[in-house]
Amino acid sequence: QKEVEQNSGPLSVPEGAIASLNCTYSDRGSQSFFWYRQYSGKSPELIMSIYSNGDKEDGRFTAQLNKASQYVSLLIRDSQPSDSATYLCAVKRRDDKIIFGKGTRLHILP
Amino acid sequence: GAVVSQHPSWVICKSGTSVKIECRSLDFQATTMFWYRQFPKQSLMLMATSNEGSKATYEQGVEKDKFLINHASLTLSTLTVTSAHPEDSSFYICSALQGLTYEQYFGPGTRLTVT
Repeated sequence: QKEVEQNSGPLSVPEGAIASLNCTYSDRGSQSFFWYRQYSGKSPELIMSIYSNGDKEDGRFTAQLNKASQYVSLLIRDSQPSDSATYLCAVKRRDDKIIFGKGTRLHILP
Repeated sequence: GAVVSQHPSWVICKSGTSVKIECRSLDFQATTMFWYRQFPKQSLMLMATSNEGSKATYEQGVEKDKFLINHASLTLSTLTVTSAHPEDSSFYICSALQGLTYEQYFGPGTRLTVT
């Protein structure tokens, strides 16, 4: 099992719909979770961090964490073409090492 | 969010020469910085973890004598690619770790082409 798993996609979502991105992790002791967005040819940028179970909302973005299921997700409401990018999930393990998933490519269809 | 700069943004060098890339955290002190490499359409690959005042920790398969890392201050880490070869051509990205939150802030990257 990979340490941080994401579906590589591409995930195609119509403009205006909700995009749902998922991530699972293997280290049950992980405490910190992050979502990054990376446009083609650019470096990643931090979208959200989440540390406790439940939902965390920031504008059109909602991060959801379920530590019992070792699952973290990112919802993007009212998807826009500018949201088309690769989304990276990152997890801080109990030994403080941060592991990135390989990313999910998201395409928002106009 | 925090700002991390990288210089140069792109560089072309001849095979056998060395190239130095600088990474600076502009508005916070970073005890830890990371260096990544990314080939086209590939995922991020962590090369090494750089800690201020101590030796860098390299990931398995990364040659420490080829990729020299120095983290001399809390705001500056450098990566030197020594005796560069065409296969070292890649997108090199640094990040700085915000210690309290463990959030990483990435520099804009350096595109290296070795001819």
